[in-house]
Amino acid sequence: GQSLEQPSEVTAVEGAIVQINCTYQTSGFYGLSWYQQHDGGAPTFLSYNGLDGLEETGRFSSFLSRSDSYGYLLLQELQMKDSASYFCAVRLFQKLVFGTGTRLLVSP
Amino acid sequence: DADVTQTPRNRITKTGKRIMLECSQTKGHDRMYWYRQDPGLGLRLIYYSFDVKDINKGEISDGYSVSRQAQAKFSLSLESAIPNQTALYFCATSGGTGTQEQYFGPGTRLTVT
Repeated sequence: GQSLEQPSEVTAVEGAIVQINCTYQTSGFYGLSWYQQHDGGAPTFLSYNGLDGLEETGRFSSFLSRSDSYGYLLLQELQMKDSASYFCAVRLFQKLVFGTGTRLLVSP
Repeated sequence: DADVTQTPRNRITKTGKRIMLECSQTKGHDRMYWYRQDPGLGLRLIYYSFDVKDINKGEISDGYSVSRQAQAKFSLSLESAIPNQTALYFCATSGGTGTQEQYFGPGTRLTVT
């Protein structure tokens, strides 16, 4: 089977940097995606790592180490609007398997 | 207009009733997916389809069926709804050869009493 682990909740203050970790145990791994979901909203795609290393998209970066079955999402210069749930998702051959999500609370 | 739409947005139904949730997309994507979301459980895949003639079960397909009426339309049916199917249901699409970037509809909140 497939399993992904991420912290259930992370708190931080505006302007800070926060890292959300994701570890996985899967077979047939192709890559790791990250999604953001605000309360009452739909998940939206943030980033994807198909190879080891760091991908940067504005204030957000994502990292993957396939040998360690580990990845993380790094959010810099936190803003109040970043308060949301963040999901890692393993890409298998034809589908994604999602983690249970990390709720990020950003305070002033 | 939204690229992925779902109808209805909210639905309350009774145990044993048949219900259909509909999804339409204007993105021109071949791949479509149905997920359910429960608090603390993330998103779980129910069914997915890579074209009109291709239907695949996901991890939690029992109690559900789907129909891919056209490239742009993918419907999810609950033949006989039960209370533990109360959840938030999302439709999603993806294009090209990759499933890593999916575009989600606004969701349907279904309550089975």
